[in-house]
Amino acid sequence: ELKVEQNPLFLSMQEGKNYTIYCNYSTTSDRLYWYRQDPGKSLESLFVLLSNGAVKQEGRLMASLDTKARLSTLHITAAVHDLSATYFCAVDSRDSNYQLIWGAGTKLIIKP
Amino acid sequence: DTGVSQDPRHKITKRGQNVTFRCDPISEHNRLYWYRQTLGQGPEFLTYFQNEAQLEKSRLLSDRFSAERPKGSFSTLEIQRTEQGDSAMYLCASSRAMAPNEQFFGPGTRLTVL
Repeated sequence: ELKVEQNPLFLSMQEGKNYTIYCNYSTTSDRLYWYRQDPGKSLESLFVLLSNGAVKQEGRLMASLDTKARLSTLHITAAVHDLSATYFCAVDSRDSNYQLIWGAGTKLIIKP
Repeated sequence: DTGVSQDPRHKITKRGQNVTFRCDPISEHNRLYWYRQTLGQGPEFLTYFQNEAQLEKSRLLSDRFSAERPKGSFSTLEIQRTEQGDSAMYLCASSRAMAPNEQFFGPGTRLTVL
């Protein structure tokens, strides 16, 4: 069974701290996607990682991909309240007919 | 480019009624996807179209669900004889065929079945 697991599922942290969200997946895939979702809103694409070793950064968020370990990380640097949201990772692969398989999401609360 | 739009944004219905949702994708996108999302979960794939052709359906899509994209532009998702378990957010996304999984999502339709 194809699985995408995120860890942790819930994270409460103080502004100014650093933290990392982990995304493990069970299938062979070279492509991983990170999305953000605010409460009651739709999904916003953050990063598309298309190869082993890919690293992308936008503001205080940095995502990386290790296809050999089947692991992606989303690192938050000096968190600010505006980054509070739920973050999802997703992968696609031949095993899923290239449809996206999603993690359950990490709900991030950043306290002022 | 106004993004992906969905209508209605909220729908409350009684069990057994039929409901229909509409999605208008980004105009130059030829792929259109429907997902269902329940609270605390990631989206679950339901079906997708390339132009007007429905190319794949999830086994989650029971025979009470039907989707169309008659002219390759907007799409409708109909649920017949709704059940309480159908209560969820229904998300539509679109993408270009050359980058199928760089998907842009609409705001969703929240369905509540009483």
